[in-house]
Amino acid sequence: GAGVSQSPRYKVAKRGQDVALRCDPISGHVSLFWYQQALGQGPEFLTYFQNEAQLDKSGLPSDRFFAERPEGSVSTLKIQRTQQEDSAVYLCASSFFGGTQNIQYFGAGTRLSVL
Amino acid sequence: AQTVTQSQPEMSVQEAETVTLSCTYDTSENNYYLFWYKQPPSRQMILVIRQEAYKQQNATENRFSVNFQKAAKSFSLKISDSQLGDTAMYFCAFMKQGGADGLTFGKGTHLIIQP
Repeated sequence: GAGVSQSPRYKVAKRGQDVALRCDPISGHVSLFWYQQALGQGPEFLTYFQNEAQLDKSGLPSDRFFAERPEGSVSTLKIQRTQQEDSAVYLCASSFFGGTQNIQYFGAGTRLSVL
Repeated sequence: AQTVTQSQPEMSVQEAETVTLSCTYDTSENNYYLFWYKQPPSRQMILVIRQEAYKQQNATENRFSVNFQKAAKSFSLKISDSQLGDTAMYFCAFMKQGGADGLTFGKGTHLIIQP
């Protein structure tokens, strides 16, 4: 596709449920990032992939959060046993690693509401 | 660790006026990139302008320009001839050279352009 695609756009989960958020990056982009954006705040870095390798997961808030990118393209962010504090917009971004641009292109995000 | 500070939570100007959004940052890095992103209600982050720290010349993109003061660690965004479509959240962001640990964002400034 032309841009970064994220699905679903909205997700409502009951506390304790597991959720999976999908990101489809721009074709050919090697780097993929996940961010968490709480209401009224700027996005905060969660994790980074270079192809299928997860090179940095220092931003994941707990071991309930897990991300994967098995074939170096589509990525999934999974949250187990969701809590109310997990309610946020989850943004995915991709970039062409190695270029001088270092520009990240963002998807429209998934708004997760945990009840 | 890097920090980005945006001290103006909200600004409002009349259409066609010029407005400046402020951003300061703190880092021990010498080589890095700075960005301004726009986030309309659709939630998709859109790159407005980008500056490489090693370049002394301020970046310009049509009606958007920056005032980059490396020694002062300041990176303000000027919007000339503001338009109704400029209404959005604006985020200042920092990225180390290499970019593997993602973008560090400020809390954002809500810019409102009044007709």
